[in-house]
Amino acid sequence: GAGVSQSPSNKVTEKGKDVELRCDPISGHTALYWYRQSLGQGLEFLIYFQGNSAPDKSGLPSDRFSAERTGGSVSTLTIQRTQQEDSAVYLCASSLTGMRVNTGELFFGEGSRLTVL
Amino acid sequence: GESVGLHLPTLSVQEGDNSIINCAYSNSASDYFIWYKQESGKGPQFIIDIRSNMDKRQGQRVTVLLNKTVKHLSLQIAATQPGDSAVYFCAENIVWGNTPLVFGKGTRLSVIA
Repeated sequence: GAGVSQSPSNKVTEKGKDVELRCDPISGHTALYWYRQSLGQGLEFLIYFQGNSAPDKSGLPSDRFSAERTGGSVSTLTIQRTQQEDSAVYLCASSLTGMRVNTGELFFGEGSRLTVL
Repeated sequence: GESVGLHLPTLSVQEGDNSIINCAYSNSASDYFIWYKQESGKGPQFIIDIRSNMDKRQGQRVTVLLNKTVKHLSLQIAATQPGDSAVYFCAENIVWGNTPLVFGKGTRLSVIA
């Protein structure tokens, strides 16, 4: 595809349920990022994948959050036992280079809007 | 789609006028800065970047100014158009720092036709 693809675009769930959000980065991009955007806030870094290296999980807000990236391509962000404060837009981005040479742009998907009732 | 950032600072500009969006960054060690534009219901899009060895960089209708002394970044948009209406974020980072981009909270630009 031409850009970063995310699914679902909208997800409404009940408190306590698990959710999975998917990101399909641009082909050939080795770096993949997850950010969270709450209403009225900037983008909050969650997790970063670079090639086959261990992911940088320093931004994950709690152990209910996890992510994996299979085959160096598609990534899934999982939120277990969702809480109302998890409601936000979850944005995925990819880039050609990773954080070690952190120039150049991140290409963002359109996000997955999560609403926890 | 639904807008993000309903409580963001807002700048209203008449169509055709120039816009100036300001950003104060936090880390004096940051040496790379980017401006992103986010339209309603979409992900942020890269506009322009600047390294700390420069104090000004120009693109098409946009100029970024960097003042490292006061840790201030601005984005100037010439001849603002309705299509410029969006939320604008600055982001900072350290090249070779192995840290993710840190984004500011954003400013909403509304263009009055």
